[in-house]
Amino acid sequence: GAVVSQHPSWVICKSGTSVKIECRSLDFQATTMFWYRQFPKQSLMLMATSNEGSKATYEQGVEKDKFLINHASLTLSTLTVTSAHPEDSSFYICSASPFDGNQPQHFGDGTRLSIL
Amino acid sequence: DAKTTQPPSMDCAEGRAANLPCNHSTISGNEYVYWYRQIHSQGPQYIIHGLKNNETNEMASLIITEDRKSSTLILPHATLRDTAVYYCIVSLLGGSQGNLIFGKGTKLSVKP
Repeated sequence: GAVVSQHPSWVICKSGTSVKIECRSLDFQATTMFWYRQFPKQSLMLMATSNEGSKATYEQGVEKDKFLINHASLTLSTLTVTSAHPEDSSFYICSASPFDGNQPQHFGDGTRLSIL
Repeated sequence: DAKTTQPPSMDCAEGRAANLPCNHSTISGNEYVYWYRQIHSQGPQYIIHGLKNNETNEMASLIITEDRKSSTLILPHATLRDTAVYYCIVSLLGGSQGNLIFGKGTKLSVKP
C-alpha cells in the first residue's frame, strides 16, 4: 500500500518552456503532498508543501511564481515550472502520506528535468 | 541543517548484516527516528521508523538506544540490491508534518 506515482519520469525541453509534473497517491488520500528538489550529488531539499483546496506553503528561497503548485483533489498535486531555464534542471520528487498522522511519507520515483 | 549525523560511507559483504549508525543527540521526546534509502536515480524508499522501542519489519530492524541519542539500522542479510544512500531523519510524526530534513546520509556499498 501507500503508493505514490509521479509523471513524467523524465523530460527534456527548451529554455523558456513551462513544464508540468504530476504527483498522484494511488491507493490513499492525502490532504498534504510535498515537493522536493535534488541537485546532482546533493541531498533532497523541501521546496513546498501542497495543501488540498488551499495555497501551497513555500520554503524560504523558493519562488512561488516560478514553481506553481496546484492540489485540486485528495489524490493529485501538480508542480509547474514556469519559463524554465537551465538552472532549473534538477530531479524533482514528490511525497505524500495518508490521512492518519502517524503514517510515514512515501515518495514518488521522481522526475528528471533537463532544460536545454 | 540536518539533526542527525551519519558516516558518509560504509561497505558490507553480500549476505552479511549491515549495521548503519546514526547519532541524533538533540532529539526531542516526541520526535520519531525515520530511515529511508535512495537507490540511484529513484525516489527515497521508506524503510522503518520508531519512537522509543526497537522495531522490526520485513526490510530491517531499528535499534534505538535507551537515551534515544543514537540508533542503528540493521539489514540482516545484505544483498547487492541494498546498495543505496541511507538517510536517518528525526521528525515530529514524520508523515503529515512535512518537515523531513534530509542530511547527506550513508552510502552503503554491498560487495560480492
